[in-house]
Amino acid sequence: GENVEQHPSTLSVQEGDSAVIKCTYSDSASNYFPWYKQELGKRPQLIIDIRSNVGEKKDQRIAVTLNKTAKHFSLHITETQPEDSAVYFCAASIQDTGRRALTFGSGTRLQVQP
Amino acid sequence: DGGITQSPKYLFRKEGQNVTLSCEQNLNHDAMYWYRQDPGQGLRLIYYSQIVNDFQKGDIAEGYSVSREKKESFPLTVTSAQKNPTAFYLCALNSGNTIYFGEGSWLTVV
Repeated sequence: GENVEQHPSTLSVQEGDSAVIKCTYSDSASNYFPWYKQELGKRPQLIIDIRSNVGEKKDQRIAVTLNKTAKHFSLHITETQPEDSAVYFCAASIQDTGRRALTFGSGTRLQVQP
Repeated sequence: DGGITQSPKYLFRKEGQNVTLSCEQNLNHDAMYWYRQDPGQGLRLIYYSQIVNDFQKGDIAEGYSVSREKKESFPLTVTSAQKNPTAFYLCALNSGNTIYFGEGSWLTVV
């Protein structure tokens, strides 16, 4: 089955700096890669996603890049703010067929220092 | 997200007891999922259902059971065979190939 590895496990940045979180996946058939933000005690919330026919996607301060050949994708947060502090999870799945369930990375705890 | 309702939010289980977590949706979606999250860790798939009266084991199904008798309901039973059930349980559904989560249920063994 699919295996998703995520790095780093913790990341501390100064407010205004950029943060980058990286993930690799094992199943070349995976074609959907979402990122979730989870605040303490809350459910994961989808913040951005990318499908395999796209190499990059941006939404304001958040961007995701995908390298299908290398089987890795990354989350980029620019101009970080204290409210960006949370745990971020990457995930991968094969959409449109089969179980379509997500396989998650182990998470990155991002702390933005004011 | 507002269309997925999980209950109870907090639940305590005694040793050897079965408990059932409820997950209801009013969005008319077919695919539903149960994930388990341990403190400081990622989410792992327990069971999923693509359609009424059909469900499949996920990666950590041992000690759990589900049913899907109605499209809007996908309850999860944590049986006494699950030796370490303390965790945060999340129900999810697939909407347009995007997965959304309910608010979760915290289960603690006492």
